[in-house]
Amino acid sequence: IQMTQSPSSLSASVGDRVTITCRASQSLSNQINWYQWKPGGAPKLLISSISTLQSGVPSRFRGSGAATEFTLTITSLQPEDLGSYFCQQSYRTPYTFGQGTKLEI
Amino acid sequence: EVQLVESGGDLMQPGRSLRLTCAASGFDFDEHAIHWVRQAPGKGLEWVAGISWNSGSIGYVDSVRGRFTISRDTATKSVYLEMNSLGLEDTAFYYCVRDTNAYIRGTFDPWGQGTLVIVSS
Repeated sequence: IQMTQSPSSLSASVGDRVTITCRASQSLSNQINWYQWKPGGAPKLLISSISTLQSGVPSRFRGSGAATEFTLTITSLQPEDLGSYFCQQSYRTPYTFGQGTKLEI
Repeated sequence: EVQLVESGGDLMQPGRSLRLTCAASGFDFDEHAIHWVRQAPGKGLEWVAGISWNSGSIGYVDSVRGRFTISRDTATKSVYLEMNSLGLEDTAFYYCVRDTNAYIRGTFDPWGQGTLVIVSS
């Protein structure tokens, strides 16, 4: 399953609404996850199953979509949101990832 | 605190073998599947292999099937990735990741910090 993520990079200001999109080559049901990867750290699971926010993740992160089109939205960008974001399908093996979006503040 | 610590990365010649180790702590090891995910320089993330809690279900990406073997040891709370016939294309950071499920379901949380494998002549 191919995961096409866009944009590959974006620059936004504090308080902006940011949207990242992932398109799958086939329907994923609800089996898509989103991760955040900050510089110097390990990837962190933000959202699972399209829209389930993980414990401790701020509510400004929202996941939405269905079938083959999915979106990660940061409703009000904060300085600590700097990093890369990538989607991943957990519908079937081999699990595959989007190419990532590098977010600059 | 849940921790996954990878070790074993090294500079290797093509065709050689290497074993990576993932040491798990801070959670019930028998309640989670474990995976290896890699990222080659300048490339995206690639799922490599996964193993269920009881080793009853194992999966590999096609590019490593037959060359790599994933295994786990409950006594030492470790997961291994035995890598044979290494090729230049295997150069990458290798991350150990915990599945949120005991079976291979593909939601990864948390991730280790990674260990670097370089294959070069």
